[in-house]
Amino acid sequence: DAGVTQSPTHLIKTRGQQVTLRCSPISGHKSVSWYQQVLGQGPQFIFQYYEKEERGRGNFPDRFSARQFPNYSSELNVNALLLGDSALYLCASSLGAASLGQYFGPGTRLTVT
Amino acid sequence: GIQVEQSPPDLILQEGANSTLRCNFSDSVNNLQWFHQNPWGQLINLFYIPSGTKQNGRLSATTVATERYSLLYISSSQTTDSGVYFCAAREGGGSNYKLTFGKGTLLTVNP
Repeated sequence: DAGVTQSPTHLIKTRGQQVTLRCSPISGHKSVSWYQQVLGQGPQFIFQYYEKEERGRGNFPDRFSARQFPNYSSELNVNALLLGDSALYLCASSLGAASLGQYFGPGTRLTVT
Repeated sequence: GIQVEQSPPDLILQEGANSTLRCNFSDSVNNLQWFHQNPWGQLINLFYIPSGTKQNGRLSATTVATERYSLLYISSSQTTDSGVYFCAAREGGGSNYKLTFGKGTLLTVNP
């Protein structure tokens, strides 16, 4: 079975631009979560979606938004990019909203110049 | 929210040595996971272990939930074990699946 997939792998954007990152969960998984990992730190929780509804939001500004589609894939949008948004963005999927174990994708490395 | 602390922050070993990584958490948890992050950033699931002991080859983990800590044991380390090891916990209760990560332990295994 395919694992969690994310696209694109790498992305370079300019300050002020907008970016959309995409994630496809493991087949059968209905929950998708997004995390931001800056260099030297552990991943920080951004959002969780389950059955197309937002179930949790971390301490991130409103420039960050996300949605989940009927096929359970998800998009993370970041508007008005700042240099500090440069990070590895990780998507994780799980069977249910609070079920056993989260499985992570390979990540999208975003560089803002 | 829950706090997760890992120790040591850095660890350097010779190939073949054993090691123990520790994870302390500040509140009751109903999920605890150990991950290995490879040089390309991929988080590899090692263990889902909210309590008890599990083993997988040279790796084993123990979580003592009542004392709020978990240990990851690596035996007969190999150079391919190098990387960052993260512990992540989810607070007990609630309907979301927020994992709170520690800052990780950077393991370097030298040949």
